[in-house]
Amino acid sequence: DTEVTQTPKHLVMGMTNKKSLKCEQHMGHRAMYWYKQKAKKPPELMFVYSYEKLSINESVPSRFSPECPNSSLLNLHLHALQPEDSALYLCASSPGGRETQYFGPGTRLLVL
Amino acid sequence: AQSVTQLGSHVSVSEGALVLLRCNYSSSVPPYLFWYVQYPNQGLQLLLKYTSAATLVKGINGFEAEFKKSETSFHLTKPSAHMSDAAEYFCAVSVGGGKLIFGQGTELSVKP
Repeated sequence: DTEVTQTPKHLVMGMTNKKSLKCEQHMGHRAMYWYKQKAKKPPELMFVYSYEKLSINESVPSRFSPECPNSSLLNLHLHALQPEDSALYLCASSPGGRETQYFGPGTRLLVL
Repeated sequence: AQSVTQLGSHVSVSEGALVLLRCNYSSSVPPYLFWYVQYPNQGLQLLLKYTSAATLVKGINGFEAEFKKSETSFHLTKPSAHMSDAAEYFCAVSVGGGKLIFGQGTELSVKP
């Protein structure tokens, strides 16, 4: 099973709202990732967790706050977002290192 | 620095024709290379990967890719296009530390 699940599928939020995106994998992978993807562009890496610890933060604004409660779960907490943050947010997991990353279906976020 | 270049942001073929999507890479270490496909409003699905074993790699849905070190290329081919192949295709190189460097993507259209 190479499935990564993400909830919700769609999210509409105002600029003053607080919301969270959730990601789950049960493949025993030790690395999990958040990406942001704008239309017709490749995914942009935001955060990498390795063994439940944040290992990479690609200079992402603090209005995005990641959390890894355990080895299977990854959250992305959103607060005071801007309309330009509207995008598809993808979660991925991998065994680690340079191994294959498996992507979830994404959450389509619209910030009004 | 590692990089990936996909030649042609949009490729159009007729159903039944050969599909050729071009990818050239730059890597300071032996590359791990990947092709992903993305259907509209979905996540990325792994088509195939090269991790220094056989240079001709077979993937899902009839796709294959050949690693050519001398040309620093990893082009994706399929002998006969099907309407269901219409999607966005991304070539990527793994650079370690959980980072994937993506090309800009190629949109494949298939005409009846």
